[in-house]
Amino acid sequence: GENVEQHPSTLSVQEGDSAVIKCTYSDSASNYFPWYKQELGKRPQLIIDIRSNVGEKKDQRIAVTLNKTAKHFSLHITETQPEDSAVYFCAARPLLTGGGNKLTFGTGTQLKVEL
Amino acid sequence: ETGVTQSPTHLIKTRGQQVTLRCSSQSGHNTVSWYQQALGQGPQFIFQYYREEENGRGNFPPRFSGLQFPNYSSELNVNALELDDSALYLCASSPAAAAGVDTQYFGPGTRLTVL
Repeated sequence: GENVEQHPSTLSVQEGDSAVIKCTYSDSASNYFPWYKQELGKRPQLIIDIRSNVGEKKDQRIAVTLNKTAKHFSLHITETQPEDSAVYFCAARPLLTGGGNKLTFGTGTQLKVEL
Repeated sequence: ETGVTQSPTHLIKTRGQQVTLRCSSQSGHNTVSWYQQALGQGPQFIFQYYREEENGRGNFPPRFSGLQFPNYSSELNVNALELDDSALYLCASSPAAAAGVDTQYFGPGTRLTVL
């Protein structure tokens, strides 16, 4: 089955700096890669996603890049703000082959943006 | 916030008991997935329901079972509770179990504590 590794587990940046979180996946059949932000005690919220036919996607201060050959994808947050502080999870989903819409998640990155 | 709701918010049970958790999917969504999130971990896929049938299952024992109703709401049942079942249980709904229309939106979760 799919295995997703995520690094770093904790990341501390100064307000205004950029933050980068990296994930690798094992199943070359995976074709959908969402990123979720989870604040303490709250639900995971989808912040951006990318599909395997696209190499990069941007949404304001957030961007995701995908390297299918190397089987890794990254989240980039620019001009970080204190409200970006949260746990970020990457996930991967293989082609639907009867396994439904199963997402395999990474172990999370605790991002702290310091003033 | 998504339109996915879950009940109850919190639940305390003792070992050996049974529990039922409920999820109402977002309007227009016919697929519900359930995840278990242990403290400090990423969500782990339990199973998915599409058109009232189980459509994919993760590595969870048969004492984890579910239902989906004609209105697409869903239940997660756990029998013979064990201490390790203590976790946040998340449901996620998506428009359809088909590639291309698969973005999952999470509910707020049910925090289950097994004593």
